Order: sequence, then C-alpha cells, then structure tokens
Amino acid sequence: EFQLVQSGGGLVRPGGSLRLSCAGSGFTVSGIYMAWVRQAPGRGLEWVSLIYSAGRTYYADSVKGRFSISGDNSKNTVYLQMNSLRVEDTAVYYCASGSWDGDYGMNVWGQGTTVTVSS
Amino acid sequence: EVVLTQSPSFQSVAPKERVTIACRASQNIVTSLHWYQQKPGQSPKLLVKYGSQSISGVPSRFSGSGSGTDFTLTINSLEAEDAATYYCHQSKSVPWTFGQGTKVEIK
Repeated sequence: EFQLVQSGGGLVRPGGSLRLSCAGSGFTVSGIYMAWVRQAPGRGLEWVSLIYSAGRTYYADSVKGRFSISGDNSKNTVYLQMNSLRVEDTAVYYCASGSWDGDYGMNVWGQGTTVTVSS
Repeated sequence: EVVLTQSPSFQSVAPKERVTIACRASQNIVTSLHWYQQKPGQSPKLLVKYGSQSISGVPSRFSGSGSGTDFTLTINSLEAEDAATYYCHQSKSVPWTFGQGTKVEIK
C-alpha cells in the first residue's frame, strides 16, 4: 500500500524557518512526482510546490524565493524547506502524489501537518 | 495561470437526490482536470481523474465529465456520508490550481 507520512511543522515566529518532511512507504519517491498543497484555516486548497522525478522544481508565486523542495533518495523522503515565513503561510500542509509518475490525479496524500506563523 | 471557477459554492441537497458541480477553466486544459472530496479534519481524497476516469474504491455514484474548459462532477443518489467540500484541480500547466471549492450539505 502506498503511503506518505509527514513530519515537521509547528509554531514559528515571522521571519523564521521550518522544514517539512514527507516519507514514502511502499514506493520510491524519487521515481515519481511530489506536490505540496496547503490549506489556510477555513480556506480552500492551494498548490505550493512540485518536484518531478527528473528533478525539475516549481513554486507558487506566493512562496517563490522563500520555499525550496528537495528529495533524499537514501531516506525516501521529500522535504519542503520554508524560510522567511510570514503570517499568511499559516496553514495545514499536505504532500501528495499519484499512482505513477505522470499520473497527476493525486490519490496518495499525507496526513497533513500544521504550520503556525505568529509572534 | 489557469483559473478554475466552481459553481455553486454551496449546495444543500436531500438524500437520494442528484448533485451536479461545475468547474470552468479560464483556458483549454483538455482533460487534465481532477476532482477531490475533503471532509473536515481529513486529507483530500481523489474521486475522478482526467475529467472522467474512475478511481478504484470510489463509489460508482461519483462520475465526472467534460473536456476543454467545462467539467462536471455528478453525485447520483446522494448519501449522508457525501457531506463534504469538493474541489477541482488542473494539472495541464504550472502553476497547478484548484477551484475554490463547493460545500455540499445534506438536508
């Protein structure tokens, strides 16, 4: 069974940094794309970042230059490094992927992790 | 950026009735449109991918249709467990985008 297990998150001051982790189980994360999606309190889903299996990375304009997505094959884990955090980055963050590389209907989701940016 | 506009934003429907949710894209996305269900406190769940492709384990009352710019999610014979917020998502081009969501309430 394919699973994504998230860790990281928490409370951080504006301007601070956090790193979120998304560990794959039952499949190799380096062989498939991975997306990060967030949901601010009471709001809808917002795409944040994407890494393709070939290594190309993409970011929403709202986080470009502040967030960085990367993978560690030895740990079968994808990371979202978040720097210069703002109050508006407060959200539940999900990692998600599909059944195979190139299948962009995301049917595997992490459990979500909460990031709160507040002074 | 492809803007996805869902309608309606809220729908209150009696059990066993049919629900139709529309998603309109600001440009042609062919069939790169996916539908998700999200219940409070839970991760989103994929219901339909690529416009109309069914997902294993998803009840057959959920179906999708459309291509180009206009897409529809249909829930036939609504059940109490279908109370949730539904989102469309396009993967035709980066940045990926989501619709604003449609909340379905059971009367």
